Amino acid sequence: QSVLTQPPSVSGAPGQRVTISCTGSSSNIGAGYDVHWYQQLPGTAPELLIYDNTNRPSGVPDRFSGSKSGTSVSLAISGLQADDEADYYCQSYDSSLSTYVFGTGTKVTVL
Amino acid sequence: QVQLLQSGSELKEPGASMKVSCKASGYTFNYYAINWVRQAPGRGLEWMGWINTRTGNPTFAQGFTGRFVFSLDTSVSTSYLQISSLKADDTAVYYCARGRPMVRGILSGFDYWGQGTLVTVSS
Repeated sequence: QSVLTQPPSVSGAPGQRVTISCTGSSSNIGAGYDVHWYQQLPGTAPELLIYDNTNRPSGVPDRFSGSKSGTSVSLAISGLQADDEADYYCQSYDSSLSTYVFGTGTKVTVL
Repeated sequence: QVQLLQSGSELKEPGASMKVSCKASGYTFNYYAINWVRQAPGRGLEWMGWINTRTGNPTFAQGFTGRFVFSLDTSVSTSYLQISSLKADDTAVYYCARGRPMVRGILSGFDYWGQGTLVTVSS
């Protein structure tokens, strides 16, 4: 089981804003390790969406934004679109496990 | 452009071995680590480990020691994942992913991914 916890699902209507939380502990997020977010569209490989908590790779729309506070981080999607329907994963490093860890994943549904 | 191209799907019997390749292009191969990530059917992502493409030194996550081998052929910019004594539980999609540069000794995310290789273990 993952040490990073995400809600199993979130949903919103087109145009709305949704947020996905990623909660860790003092050995990962709370220890100051950076968090990265990935989008996995159905049947495809994950893609990097946010790196180092808040940075977007080139080509990622600014509708996607990341934030960090203490042991929790969040991904926000504003102006929700139908093609945002996907699974989203947070990822960080855990010092007590000495491994990179992924969150449990969140399925975003556009109503 | 950066690409990671993985080998095709495999169907293996329990107890067999398999080898997945991940060919990199569009960048200098030995400047970036290659990671391996497993995704079992209907499940989340699980980091298996990484290989240092300069030294060939592998690092494995807990639960991925013993039957798992990471290797390189730098002459063709390719990394390999080998799994021996396959079990039904090894049925999954396996991804290679390029590690972003390290910050304070920690990879800063995985920026390019292969398309995935489905490995099915069944008799």
